[in-house]
Order: sequence, then structure tokens, then C-alpha cells
Amino acid sequence: EDQVTQSPEALRLQEGESSSLNCSYTVSGLRGLFWYRQDPGKGPEFLFTLYSAGEEKEKERLKATLTKKESFLHITAPKPEDSATYLCAVQASGYALNFGKGTSLLVTP
Amino acid sequence: EPEVTQTPSHQVTQMGQEVILRCVPISNHLYFYWYRQILGQKVEFLVSFYNNEISEKSEIFDDQFSVERPDGSNFTLKIRSTKLEDSAMYFCASSLGVLNEQFFGPGTRLTVL
Repeated sequence: EDQVTQSPEALRLQEGESSSLNCSYTVSGLRGLFWYRQDPGKGPEFLFTLYSAGEEKEKERLKATLTKKESFLHITAPKPEDSATYLCAVQASGYALNFGKGTSLLVTP
Repeated sequence: EPEVTQTPSHQVTQMGQEVILRCVPISNHLYFYWYRQILGQKVEFLVSFYNNEISEKSEIFDDQFSVERPDGSNFTLKIRSTKLEDSAMYFCASSLGVLNEQFFGPGTRLTVL
């Protein structure tokens, strides 16, 4: 059975304190790995798609990387507005995205 | 920027009643999806829809659920006889292709009393 595990569950950072979020997965035949941001009471907001090991994508203070077993979302010099829940999802053989439980990030001034 | 829209934002219903949740996907997208998120839990896949038929469904999507694309712009999820455990946020999503990123709507919060 496909599994997606995100760690840590929650993370508190000072503004400017860089860190990484982890998403480990076990799927038979990864077609894509997706990162989303979710604010409370809102829908997931697309950030990145990664398709193959070694691939990297960047957007502002965020950088996503992918290996054969896990993905990292690196946050460089975060700001309070980066506070949100970050979701990782994998797509295997079908149409569905299989989501992890997410990492709740709080960035304090 | 094109976005997925959903109505209503909040629906309150009595157990056993039928509800229809509505979505307008991004106009040039071809694949449509419904997901749900029970409070405090992860986002769960319900169903995908392509070319006017269901392409994949999860175990959650039983005979109480149905989907329809009644016209060229709307995509609906019907729950025939709601249960307390159907209370959740329901998200509609759409994508251009099956391997492309899925864009999510803001959600409909369904409360079953």
C-alpha cells in the first residue's frame, strides 16, 4: 500500500531561521510528487511538482528536492507569512493524489 | 489568474438529506476531482472524472456518492443520504492533464446534524 509520511508534524521557527521539511514515501511507480501549502480553512495551494530523483524546483524562499525515497522542502530565511501547513502528495499509477498529514509551520517575528 | 470556484462555502444539512456540492473547474482543464478533509485529518481522494465518466474512485466513494458534469462549466458532487461522518471539507480540483498539477478550490464545509 502506498504511504506518505511527513515530518515533523509541527515546526516553530524564528523569522530568518532556515529549516527543512521531510516527506518520505513508499509507492509502486512514482509518477509525480507534489507540494502544496494550506492555510486554515482554505484549499491546498499548489507549490511544486517533482517527477524524477535529482530534480529540484525553487520559488522565492522555498526549494523542493526529490530522491528515490523522500522529498525535502527547504525554507530559507522564512517570514511570518510563510506560516501554514505544508502538504506533500504522491501520484502513483492512477489519477489520485495520496496526501501526507502535513507539517504545520509557524514562523514567529 | 484562473481558479477553481466552489459553492456554497458552507452547507448545513440534516442527517439523511441529499446535498449537492458545486464546482466550476478551470476552463481549459480536462480532468476533475473531488477530495475531502475531515477536521484534523489528511486530504483524502474521492473520485476523478474525465471525458464524462469516472476514471477512478476510492473506497470512500460508495453508492451514496455520485458526480456529474451537467454542462460545459459545472462539476457536481451529490451525496444522496448524508451521514454524520460525511461532515468534512470537500475540495474540488482540476488539472490540464493526468500528470499535471491539480489545482484546488477553496472548499465547501459540509456539516451534517
